[in-house]
Amino acid sequence: KAGVTQTPRYLIKTRGQQVTLSCSPISGHRSVSWYQQTPGQGLQFLFEYFSETQRNKGNFPGRFSGRQFSNSRSEMNVSTLELGDSALYLCASSVTGGSFYGYTFGSGTRLTVV
Amino acid sequence: TQLLEQSPQFLSIQEGENLTVYCNSSSVFSSLQWYRQEPGEGPVLLVTVVTGGEVKKLKRLTFQFGDARKDSSLHITAAQPGDTGLYLCAGSYNQGGKLIFGQGTELSVKP
Repeated sequence: KAGVTQTPRYLIKTRGQQVTLSCSPISGHRSVSWYQQTPGQGLQFLFEYFSETQRNKGNFPGRFSGRQFSNSRSEMNVSTLELGDSALYLCASSVTGGSFYGYTFGSGTRLTVV
Repeated sequence: TQLLEQSPQFLSIQEGENLTVYCNSSSVFSSLQWYRQEPGEGPVLLVTVVTGGEVKKLKRLTFQFGDARKDSSLHITAAQPGDTGLYLCAGSYNQGGKLIFGQGTELSVKP
């Protein structure tokens, strides 16, 4: 059974640029959540998509956006990159997104903004 | 602000020792999960606890959910070098995929 696949694994961007990260969930999982992990703030929730609809959103500026496609694959976009956006971005998939089933995380995309 | 305080932040022990990691909040959670993360990888789910007072065992790991569902603990018996990693607790209010993570406990088990 394939796990959660995130691409690319590593990315270096310049301040002001935009970036798109991709997440392919486990087959049959309809919920995809995105998290930002930094040494100072730990793991922080960005947003969650279920059946192509954003169901929940964290406290991040509007530069962070996402979407989900009909095959449950999800993309996350960050516009006008800032140095502080350097982080490990993780996506997690779940059957329904309910807390009782647990989440499977991908290996993440390491974004470095220079 | 929804917070989960995890302690200790760092733990360095010898192989064979026992340890306990704590996860505390002033909020009541629908469920609480424990994850283990290794460098360069995503967190891996260890357990989900749902009922207040629930105790779950996974080999040498014992997880407990507080009676009031505000806190949890992870106890490792006879730690081994393979247990080294970042242990994260995460609470859920069952709000559609949103987990509140603690800051993590960096565990190092020396042979």
